[in-house]
Amino acid sequence: KQEVTQIPAALSVPEGENLVLNCSFTDSAIYNLQWFRQDPGKGLTSLLLIQSSQREQTSGRLNASLDKSSGRSTLYIAASQPGDSATYLCAVAPSNDYKLSFGAGTTVTVRA
Amino acid sequence: DTEVTQTPKHLVMGMTNKKSLKCEQHMGHRAMYWYKQKAKKPPELMFVYSYEKLSINESVPSRFSPECPNSSLLNLHLHALQPEDSALYLCASSHGGLADDGELFFGEGSRLTVL
Repeated sequence: KQEVTQIPAALSVPEGENLVLNCSFTDSAIYNLQWFRQDPGKGLTSLLLIQSSQREQTSGRLNASLDKSSGRSTLYIAASQPGDSATYLCAVAPSNDYKLSFGAGTTVTVRA
Repeated sequence: DTEVTQTPKHLVMGMTNKKSLKCEQHMGHRAMYWYKQKAKKPPELMFVYSYEKLSINESVPSRFSPECPNSSLLNLHLHALQPEDSALYLCASSHGGLADDGELFFGEGSRLTVL
């Protein structure tokens, strides 16, 4: 069974600092890995999707890397802003079905 | 339009009530999902519909009854719920089929409170 771990569980940084969020998974046979953002009481917003054949994806200030062999993905958020405060979840899709495995998330607070 | 719309946003119901949650997407996606999320926990998969057919049921109690009337709509019928069923219910969709890159798009959720 795929286990997904996100460390740390919470992170507080001053505005302008770069954020580094980690996601590790136990089974390297994945179809893709997706990073989501969730604001309190709201749904999940897709940030980046990395296919198993890719090493990284970028969108604006966000960059996500994937190392399947070591079972790791990292989400980088450059020049953080208070509006980046949210919970960030990573989710891994197995090769053969629709069942995503979610990490527990990292809750980020960016202090003004 | 990359939107998944869920109604209602909030629902309060008694344990003897029957209610429904609704989800709609117009992205042409052929896979639709129901997730349940408790506070400070990740979403848990409940059901998956693929091409309007139920393909995954994660051993969800029968008091939750999904329905997919057409490729754009997904319902979750609720009956005789328990207070522990109170949670945020999230609908999601993905492309579906062989061309599916697996990217999930979520709605804003329906906050359910069972009294």
